[in-house]
Amino acid sequence: GAVVSQHPSWVICKSGTSVKIECRSLDFQATTMFWYRQFPKQSLMLMATSNEGSKATYEQGVEKDKFLINHASLTLSTLTVTSAHPEDSSFYICSASLLAGARETQYFGPGTRLLVL
Amino acid sequence: GQSLEQPSEVTAVEGAIVQINCTYQTSGFYGLSWYQQHDGGAPTFLSYNGLDGLEETGRFSSFLSRSDSYGYLLLQELQMKDSASYFCAVGKGSARQLTFGSGTQLTVLP
Repeated sequence: GAVVSQHPSWVICKSGTSVKIECRSLDFQATTMFWYRQFPKQSLMLMATSNEGSKATYEQGVEKDKFLINHASLTLSTLTVTSAHPEDSSFYICSASLLAGARETQYFGPGTRLLVL
Repeated sequence: GQSLEQPSEVTAVEGAIVQINCTYQTSGFYGLSWYQQHDGGAPTFLSYNGLDGLEETGRFSSFLSRSDSYGYLLLQELQMKDSASYFCAVGKGSARQLTFGSGTQLTVLP
């Protein structure tokens, strides 16, 4: 159980285009999902918290107009990188929270590698 | 804010035991988690400590001392497949957002 999928796994796009990444919890409902970015050999940096049915909460320094997040259902959150530029090239990973008793565990998707040319 | 410190690299041989330490500074502590990440892959959950003490899951154990703001991950009977990056993470906020440490690259030698 507790499987999270992401689509696409790889995307290459031209500078200036927009890219949408989907994150799905396959076998559980997630009222909260999270989006992270990871540069090579670095740690995961939380970008935003995606709440089902409400606006996302962005971390300091993350442009909300550039990284649009929509959490339209309990199993799907999307991240759209608008007007992508080469510096947006990174590994984007989502996670979904699963509450079991008093323990809350985050399960991660396989990630999406974005390369902006 | 949150900050976590862990060693950048650890090397050990197959069959050995290795301990990866993590110290943290945080406001609003909601437990210490450990994740494993192989090159090119997503993080996978290993262990969680919400209270002081030792949690054991097979070859992996994790320890937490909240008074010392310190925890560690213990890997026993190391295997080559354990070569990966290991991250400690603390939860914060009502949504339990995770702040990750910088990661420890574990290399297991034959």
